[in-house]
Amino acid sequence: GNSVTQMEGPVTLSEEAFLTINCTYTATGYPSLFWYVQYPGEGLQLLLKATKADDKGSNKGFEATYRKETTSFHLEKGSVQVSDSAVYFCALMYSSASKIIFGSGTRLSIRP
Amino acid sequence: SAVISQKPSRDICQRGTSLTIQCQVDSQVTMMFWYRQQPGQSLTLIATANQGSEATYESGFVIDKFPISRPNLTFSTLTVSNMSPEDSSIYLCSVVGLQSNEQFFGPGTRLTVL
Repeated sequence: GNSVTQMEGPVTLSEEAFLTINCTYTATGYPSLFWYVQYPGEGLQLLLKATKADDKGSNKGFEATYRKETTSFHLEKGSVQVSDSAVYFCALMYSSASKIIFGSGTRLSIRP
Repeated sequence: SAVISQKPSRDICQRGTSLTIQCQVDSQVTMMFWYRQQPGQSLTLIATANQGSEATYESGFVIDKFPISRPNLTFSTLTVSNMSPEDSSIYLCSVVGLQSNEQFFGPGTRLTVL
């Protein structure tokens, strides 16, 4: 079946460090891939997305590239800030069904 | 993007009672979904809310426990019936807009069952 596996947390980094949160997926066909973010006390927000192989999604300094050959969609940011502290969810969706399958989430904490 | 509101935003309920959560969208949408996020966990899809017909439930969720209504294109309700402490979760409504396949999430309803 379809599934998403992402890096276990929590992840703690110092401000300005480089961030990678790994995400791999198992799916038939060509799903759309997403990263969602949940800031403390807030709702779920779409951070970025990619809809086909080799697409790169980017937003707020975060990037992720849809890698079909490795079935991956790793999230990266060159220099994290304290305000990036949140829980990050990798997810996939098939357009026809619009159902989203979420990874387990990775809690990120950034130290000043 | 669609603006989604949920009521109530949070509630504390007694075991054995039921709570109905409302989801209202500011524009017509194609699909509406209900998710559950248990404490410290990821989101799990409960069901797809179908306009004018019975909801489509995911494995492990049944209509008797989570009855859902969707009378029109902008409104849906989820009822959590005969609650137990294990039902303590955040319940989220999500929608897919008419113009794109992007999915938007409501702010969630935080439910605590004592």
